[in-house]
Amino acid sequence: AQTVTQSQPEMSVQEAETVTLSCTYDTSESDYYLFWYKQPPSRQMILVIRQEAYKQQNATENRFSVNFQKAAKSFSLKISDSQLGDAAMYFCAYIRTSYDKVIFGPGTSLSVIP
Amino acid sequence: ETGVTQTPRHLVMGMTNKKSLKCEQHLGHNAMYWYKQSAKKPLELMFVYNFKEQTENNSVPSRFSPECPNSSHLFLHLHTLQPEDSALYLCASSQDGILALSSYNEQFFGPGTRLTVL
Repeated sequence: AQTVTQSQPEMSVQEAETVTLSCTYDTSESDYYLFWYKQPPSRQMILVIRQEAYKQQNATENRFSVNFQKAAKSFSLKISDSQLGDAAMYFCAYIRTSYDKVIFGPGTSLSVIP
Repeated sequence: ETGVTQTPRHLVMGMTNKKSLKCEQHLGHNAMYWYKQSAKKPLELMFVYNFKEQTENNSVPSRFSPECPNSSHLFLHLHTLQPEDSALYLCASSQDGILALSSYNEQFFGPGTRLTVL
């Protein structure tokens, strides 16, 4: 069975600094997608970044980038130049290409210190 | 209205009440989902509807009854709930319930309904 693990329940970062959130997953599939979702205090889940497993290049969206290590089944999120608005729960998620069931990790609560 | 909306945003109910949660998506998607988010637990997928047909029931108790009258609307009917059912209930939608290898199936989430069962 597929599982997603986020080993850091809580993280904190100084404003303008860089932080990396870790995520590992377990799957026997070769084709899949990985996502990072952000859930701010408003509770609305927002997609931050996505990665196709067949792509070697790491995805980047402005200040957000990932380090995708397929062999190690690792998918970490790097937030550069952290801003107060980045404070939120961050969920790593996995979905197989042939099925719609998304599997979420337990989340990492990120605090940004002014 | 844009995106995915959910009503009500907050709901308090007794164990003998019957209530319904509503979700509406304005994105032209074909798949809709109900998730339960409890404190300190991962998101739990409850139900999946694809083209109005239920394709997943993740061992959810019968006191939760989903209804999908069309691709844009999804309801969760609640009756005789228990206090442990108190949680945030999130609705999501995606373009299609079946992925193609050349695409991804990003899920768009609503703001959730905070449910408290007394």
